[in-house]
Amino acid sequence: GAVVSQHPSWVICKSGTSVKIECRSLDFQATTMFWYRQFPKQSLMLMATSNEGSKATYEQGVEKDKFLINHASLTLSTLTVTSAHPEDSSFYICSASSDTEAFFGQGTRLTVV
Amino acid sequence: GNSVTQMEGPVTLSEEAFLTINCTYTATGYPSLFWYVQYPGEGLQLLLKATKADDKGSNKGFEATYRKETTSFHLEKGSVQVSDSAVYFCALTVSGGYNKLIFGAGTRLAVHP
Repeated sequence: GAVVSQHPSWVICKSGTSVKIECRSLDFQATTMFWYRQFPKQSLMLMATSNEGSKATYEQGVEKDKFLINHASLTLSTLTVTSAHPEDSSFYICSASSDTEAFFGQGTRLTVV
Repeated sequence: GNSVTQMEGPVTLSEEAFLTINCTYTATGYPSLFWYVQYPGEGLQLLLKATKADDKGSNKGFEATYRKETTSFHLEKGSVQVSDSAVYFCALTVSGGYNKLIFGAGTRLAVHP
């Protein structure tokens, strides 16, 4: 089946720095990708919908200036966590949908120290 | 609003035991329902789905029936294997297709020999 590759799988950064997470659809073109966040023992929460060539659509309560999303091509979306703080530590997962199925990346565990 | 509630884990079973993971939902309109599985170190994978009431989704020995009257989509398997150890997520979408999935908290299953 189709594969979505997410990189890095884990990252540790210092408070105040920015971290970029990449999500690539490897064998199909995804006009729309989704970014989720998962806290320990909680469900995946949709953060934003990433649209190729246009601005992302953010869910209520998600700070668009902190979580910058860029969808520069049909196979790549990036999430940049700007000025990261310890409360941003979490598991971030991307998803890309074809007509028949949603495919998920492996996730990125972000730890801000 | 739309939400998914699934039983807390972890669920620990012996090999060949019967598995049930409960999932109930609230939704406006007529949702599509899904079970996703996440094996260690991997992304979420679609396990099965049902798009209308009384549909039964099945895959790899797992089954779930869309019960509109009880707003449930319980996951069952008659005889689990060690290789079934994973985290299972119940999810729904009301927007059609695979967009904007709403997930439950996930249930970790551990199967011992």
